[in-house]
Amino acid sequence: DAMVIQNPRYQVTQFGKPVTLSCSQTLNHNVMYWYQQKSSQAPKLLFHYYDKDFNNEADTPDNFQSRRPNTSFCFLDIRSPGLGDAAMYLCATSSRTGTNTEAFFGQGTRLTVV
Amino acid sequence: GNSVTQMEGPVTLSEEAFLTINCTYTATGYPSLFWYVQYPGEGLQLLLKATKADDKGSNKGFEATYRKETTSFHLEKGSVQVSDSAVYFCALSDRAGNSGYALNFGKGTSLLVTP
Repeated sequence: DAMVIQNPRYQVTQFGKPVTLSCSQTLNHNVMYWYQQKSSQAPKLLFHYYDKDFNNEADTPDNFQSRRPNTSFCFLDIRSPGLGDAAMYLCATSSRTGTNTEAFFGQGTRLTVV
Repeated sequence: GNSVTQMEGPVTLSEEAFLTINCTYTATGYPSLFWYVQYPGEGLQLLLKATKADDKGSNKGFEATYRKETTSFHLEKGSVQVSDSAVYFCALSDRAGNSGYALNFGKGTSLLVTP
């Protein structure tokens, strides 16, 4: 089945130690998103790619970066994780961008910072 | 930008009870509206959507109607089951980044159904 896959499901990292979360998709979608979801809160968009075009949200901290080496893969890099970065990170894809476009989500990576 | 407001939870119901989760939106233009469901420890799954005014989205016994006059998209189910226990998010598209759109979510409503 076509899907969005996030690895790992659970990631523990040390305070200040760089960490990378990965996302792959078999849907061949043009758009890939990264959301941060803290406990009992709405998912918050960090950034998205339309093909290779990177779109950063204005309030996304510089500590968060992303790479999309090809259509199928997208990575979230946290350069120096702080305790406040502990959250569920959700990757999503959509076939195009527009007001009518639904997104398909992976199962998420739960990040713990110790 | 576009935004949604949904009722605070948690909502606790007995099995077979009627469910309503309220959602209202603020938007320029007429974006599609969505309900997503999140089961414990999982990502979000699309439950239903409606793309224009008066459209009704439906799936798995859940329904929601896009009401332009009241700017609402309330989620309803006639008879809930224990397996419906989850967090429900109302969403719509909003401008994102330099160009393009992304889903903007409400805060979510937690539903607990007891036997």
